[in-house]
Amino acid sequence: ELKVEQNPLFLSMQEGKNYTIYCNYSTTSDRLYWYRQDPGKSLESLFVLLSNGAVKQEGRLMASLDTKARLSTLHITAAVHDLSATYFCAVDMRNYGQNFVFGPGTRLSVLP
Amino acid sequence: DGGITQSPKYLFRKEGQNVTLSCEQNLNHDAMYWYRQDPGQGLRLIYYSQIVNDFQKGDIAEGYSVSREKKESFPLTVTSAQKNPTAFYLCASSIIGQASGANVLTFGAGSRLTVL
Repeated sequence: ELKVEQNPLFLSMQEGKNYTIYCNYSTTSDRLYWYRQDPGKSLESLFVLLSNGAVKQEGRLMASLDTKARLSTLHITAAVHDLSATYFCAVDMRNYGQNFVFGPGTRLSVLP
Repeated sequence: DGGITQSPKYLFRKEGQNVTLSCEQNLNHDAMYWYRQDPGQGLRLIYYSQIVNDFQKGDIAEGYSVSREKKESFPLTVTSAQKNPTAFYLCASSIIGQASGANVLTFGAGSRLTVL
C-alpha cells in the first residue's frame, strides 16, 4: 500500500524567511502534484511534476521531484502572508491500477 | 467558464437520514471522484468513476453510494449506514489521457455536511 508522508505537518514562519516542505512516498511513481487549500475552501492545483528531475517555479514557490529518492520538495522563498494555507502533495498511481494518493498536508502560517 | 459545481455548500442531516450531494462538471472530463476530508486531515477517496454507468469503490466506500448516469454528473449519497458522516466532501474530475500526460484533478468548491 502506498504511503505518502509530508514534513512538517505544521509550519509557522516569519515573512521573508525561506523554508522547504518535504513529500516522501513509499512506492514507484513518476507523477506528483502539489495543491494548495485555503481554510474552508477547495483545493487548487499548484504544480504538476511528471518526471525525475522535474522542477517547476511559480512566484515564491518552487517544486521538484526526485523519483529515485521518492521525494518531492516545495521550497518557499521569502515567504509572505498570502502564502498561508495548507499544502498537499498527491502521488499519481493510475499507471499502477490505483488512484491519486494524498499526503496529510502541511499547514503553513506566515507571520508578519 | 468550465468547472465543477457542487451543491449544497452546507447541509445538515439528522441521524438516520440519507442525503445526496450533487456534483456537475462541464469540463468534458471522463473521470470523476469523491473525496472526504476531516478537519486537519488529508483527502480520502470514497468512490470514483471513469465512464458512464461504471464506478469503483475507493478506500472508504462503506456507507456511501454513487451513480454515473451522465458523463457530467456524479452524485454521492451519504446513507444512514455511514456512522460518522460529518465532514467536508470534495468532488473532482480529470481527463483520462495518455500514460505520460498530466491528468491533474480539478476540484469543486466542496460540500460541508453536519449531522445533528
